[in-house]
Amino acid sequence: TQLLEQSPQFLSIQEGENLTVYCNSSSVFSSLQWYRQEPGEGPVLLVTVVTGGEVKKLKRLTFQFGDARKDSSLHITAAQPGDTGLYLCAGGRAGYALNFGKGTSLLVTP
Amino acid sequence: DTAVSQTPKYLVTQMGNDKSIKCEQNLGHDTMYWYKQDSKKFLKIMFSYNNKELIINETVPNRFSPKSPDKAHLNLHINSLELGDSAVYFCASSQVQGEAFFGQGTRLTVV
Repeated sequence: TQLLEQSPQFLSIQEGENLTVYCNSSSVFSSLQWYRQEPGEGPVLLVTVVTGGEVKKLKRLTFQFGDARKDSSLHITAAQPGDTGLYLCAGGRAGYALNFGKGTSLLVTP
Repeated sequence: DTAVSQTPKYLVTQMGNDKSIKCEQNLGHDTMYWYKQDSKKFLKIMFSYNNKELIINETVPNRFSPKSPDKAHLNLHINSLELGDSAVYFCASSQVQGEAFFGQGTRLTVV
């Protein structure tokens, strides 16, 4: 099992602030995915990154894959209450099921 | 039309009982999974299965067994339920190394 460490575990901020969530591993992944989970629902994919150094943007969310494909970050600009949720990173390797980090629980207050 | 559906959404049962959770996907994916999410929100793989191979996480007790009647279904059967089995169980499916689509989860409470 390849361990994925996410930080911070909990984050409570006010609307309009910026934040960054980190996902780190000692293993190399062929791809890394970020999911968002809302209460009572299953995780939903936000983005997949596959190339070392890759940066993807999804509106106010910016995702980066580390050059060595062992780590990733999620940056949210001007957070809104609708961004509240559990953010999960998941590493993919050929022949293995997705391995999830423990998640970052984000609360954005008005 | 729900891509991955699992039933029931809630399940309350007594210790020692046997129960099953059903999962169906209509995405035509080759691989299906069962994940367990504990009270701390950690999502842990239990099984992955395609029509060729079942991969079992070695930490899963053998009281848990996946059953796949066909490519679109992967049910989870649990024998002799214990208090520690209480959690949310998620079914998911994907193409190889692709996006995982999750069901809404089954909240299992063992009393």
